[in-house]
This record gives sequence, C-alpha cells and structure tokens, in this order.
Amino acid sequence: GAGVSQSPSNKVTEKGKDVELRCDPISGHTALYWYRQSLGQGLEFLIYFQGNSAPDKSGLPSDRFSAERTGGSVSTLTIQRTQQEDSAVYLCASSLAYGGNQPQHFGDGTRLSIL
Amino acid sequence: SQQGEEDPQALSIQEGENATMNCSYKTSINNLQWYRQNSGRGLVHLILIRSNEREKHSGRLRVTLDTSKKSSSLLITASRAADTASYFCATDTGGFKTIFGAGTRLFVKA
Repeated sequence: GAGVSQSPSNKVTEKGKDVELRCDPISGHTALYWYRQSLGQGLEFLIYFQGNSAPDKSGLPSDRFSAERTGGSVSTLTIQRTQQEDSAVYLCASSLAYGGNQPQHFGDGTRLSIL
Repeated sequence: SQQGEEDPQALSIQEGENATMNCSYKTSINNLQWYRQNSGRGLVHLILIRSNEREKHSGRLRVTLDTSKKSSSLLITASRAADTASYFCATDTGGFKTIFGAGTRLFVKA
C-alpha cells in the first residue's frame, strides 16, 4: 500500500479481555516501531523491529504486552488482560532502514478504549 | 524531565503570522527531526537536521539547531489555518530509539 496501515482504527473492549492490534508497514521498509500516545501527550516508545527481530523489548509497559513481526512485514501488538490504563492511541511507524536518521512513516493509529 | 521538550505547550496565532516553536534536549544528539500531527492522525515527518548543521529550510519551514544550548526551533512563516496541528521534535542519540517530546499545539485562526 501507499502508506502504513493500522487496524482496527478503533477498538472498545471490556477490562480483562485480550486485544490484538495490527500494523501493515510500507512495502520494503525493514524497520517497524510501535508507540503509545495518551490523550494530549507525546509518544511513548514501546518496541521496534529490525526485520523480524526485536532487539530490545524493555519499552513494553508490562508482561501483558507482546509484539511479533512475521515475514519482515506485518506486525501485531497484543495486550492481554487489558486494564483501563491501557486506553490510548497505539501508533505504528516504519522506516526504510533502522536508524535515528531515518524518517519514520506513521499510520493513523488504533484508538483503544478499555471500559 | 524528558529528552526533547517543546515549548510553548500551546500557541494560538492569526493566519499570516509566523509561528515559532522550541525544543530543548538534554544529551548529545546525532540529529533532530520535527514532525506534525493533525488531530486523529499519525505523525508526518517534516524535516531532519543533523548535529553538524545549524539551519535548514523547507518551503515555509525553517529549523535551527544550537548544539551548545541543546535546543532547536521550528519557524513556520506566513501561517495558514491548515497549519493547525501538534508539532513534535524527535531526537536521535545513537541509541535504539528516537525520543519524541510532548509537542506544541498550534492553532491558526482564519
């Protein structure tokens, strides 16, 4: 596709349920990033992938959060046993290569609301 | 406080005026980027300035970098209503992640 695609765009679920968020990066982009953005706040880094591997998972807020990337393309972010504090917009970005000098291309995010 | 803090937090100006946003950071950087975010959308990359550069232009945007003061500024000249958005600076310290600030909310009144 032309840009980074995220689905669903909105997700409302009950506390305690598991949710899975999907990110389709720009074709050919090897680096993929997940961020969390609370209302009116900046971006909290969660995890990045270089190819299929995630060299550092320390940004994930708790062990309820996990992410994977298969085939060097699509990535999923899974939150188990959701809590109300997980409510936020989850943004995915991709870049042609990994590196801080690479512009990141963002999707429009998944707005997650935990009731 | 965070690496990459923008000020002001919010800015309201009239169409046609210039808007200046500032970003301060704490540790040495390799480069600094500015992004724009429209309400309900993802971030859009505007410009990257390297640590050995002092100024960079792109259309109506002018970015400066002062590494001695660990600060950067983004100037939008002749602002338009369509420039209404949040603006974020993002720093690359050579680590594995780019660090984003909390952003400046710009409102341009028509």
